[in-house]
Amino acid sequence: DQQVKQNSPSLSVQEGRISILNCDYTNSMFDYFLWYKKYPAEGPTFLISISSIKDKNEDGRFTVFLNKSAKHLSLHIVPSQPGDSAVYFCAGGSQGNLIFGKGTKLSVKP
Amino acid sequence: EAGVAQSPRYKIIEKRQSVAFWCNPISGHATLYWYQQILGQGPKLLIQFQNNGVVDDSQLPKDRFSAERLKGVDSTLKIQPAKLEDSAVYLCASSLGSPIYGYTFGSGTRLTVV
Repeated sequence: DQQVKQNSPSLSVQEGRISILNCDYTNSMFDYFLWYKKYPAEGPTFLISISSIKDKNEDGRFTVFLNKSAKHLSLHIVPSQPGDSAVYFCAGGSQGNLIFGKGTKLSVKP
Repeated sequence: EAGVAQSPRYKIIEKRQSVAFWCNPISGHATLYWYQQILGQGPKLLIQFQNNGVVDDSQLPKDRFSAERLKGVDSTLKIQPAKLEDSAVYLCASSLGSPIYGYTFGSGTRLTVV
């Protein structure tokens, strides 16, 4: 039973345009959600998070939107840069335990 | 600050052999996690420590996996005996406060069981 789903295995975007990565979840008990970025042969790196009581959090080029009624969140990257090319993981958490999706591979083309 | 250190980076063993991974978290981080990431999947929590006590080990296959965190600092994860399906990257992470601020992962140990 996948509690966190990232249905798009990959996404290709032109440099300078917006990247939108999507995530759906089934567990209503998540207190917060996080996005991690992962480069090959490295561990995941924390990117941005959002509490379940909020609907938006912004940090520079990165914005996470949460729609609790739809059990959906998205990560917007504007503008996208070639260095953003990586695998992005969405995770839901409560009491310290994070449940991750399978990831979306983002490719930003110059 | 120094990151989460893990060793070895790579390990190849035959099935039924044993293997151990080591993790040194960021100094002062009370919470330590071990995650297993199988190819094409997201990381899955194996065990969570708070200082040297276990908080959650519900997904740890206890018949073959064991973990300890001595003196609330370093941690080791052991697999004995290993199975082919244990081939994965084993990630250690640590955090200081609330997980909503993210926790820091090490680079992981890639285990191949042949």
